[in-house]
Amino acid sequence: QVQLQESGPGLVRPSGTLSLTCAVSGGSISSSYWWTWVRQPPGKGLEWIGEIFHSGNTNYNPSLKSRVSISVDKSKNQFSLNLSSVTAADTAVYYCATISGQLVLDHWGQGTLVTVSS
Amino acid sequence: IVLTQSPGTLSLSPGERATLSCRASQSVSNYLGWYQQKPGQAPRLLIYFASSRATGIPDRFSGSGSGTDFTLTISRLEPEDFAVYYCQQYGRSLTFGGGTKVEIK
Repeated sequence: QVQLQESGPGLVRPSGTLSLTCAVSGGSISSSYWWTWVRQPPGKGLEWIGEIFHSGNTNYNPSLKSRVSISVDKSKNQFSLNLSSVTAADTAVYYCATISGQLVLDHWGQGTLVTVSS
Repeated sequence: IVLTQSPGTLSLSPGERATLSCRASQSVSNYLGWYQQKPGQAPRLLIYFASSRATGIPDRFSGSGSGTDFTLTISRLEPEDFAVYYCQQYGRSLTFGGGTKVEIK
C-alpha cells in the first residue's frame, strides 16, 4: 500500500517560492502511477496543480503552468513541487497523491498547510 | 472541462437516501471519480469509472451516468457519511467539481 507524506515550510513570504516534497513509501516512484499535487484553500474546494511520471514527463494546470514546476528524485523515492511568485491566494492545504490507471486519485498524503504572509 | 455539482448543500437525516449530481461541460465518457472528504482529512476515493466502487467502499455508495451527467447515490445515510463530496474528471486536464456538502438535518 503506497503511503505519501508531504513536508516543507508552513510559511512563505509573498513573491517567494513555495517548495514542498512528497516522500513515497510502500512502493516505488518508478511504478506505473502518475504523481500529483492538489491544493485546497481554507474552506474551499480542490484544485489540481499538476503531475509527473517517473520518466520526468509532466502535465500542469493551465492556470498555474507559468509558476509551477514538479520534479522527481528516484534516488530518494520522492517528488517535489515548486510554485513561484506566490501571493496570499496561494495559501492552502497542499496534498500529494497518486493518479491510477483509472485516472483517479487513489492514494493521498495527509496534506500540509502553507500560508503565504509577510 | 468544467464540472458543476448540485445541490451545494443537501440536508438529510440518517437512514435517508442521498442523490448528488455532477454535470460536465462536455463529454468525459466514463472517466469520472467521486471522493468523500471529512473535516481535517484528505479526500478519499469512493468511485472510479463513474460506477466502480474503490477498494473497501461500502455498497450503499453507488455511481451512475456517462457522457456529461453523473450521479452519486448513498442508499441509506450512516452517521459517518455526512461530509463533502467531490466529482473529478481527467480529459485533457484534471478538474474537480465544486463539491456537495451532505449535512445532518
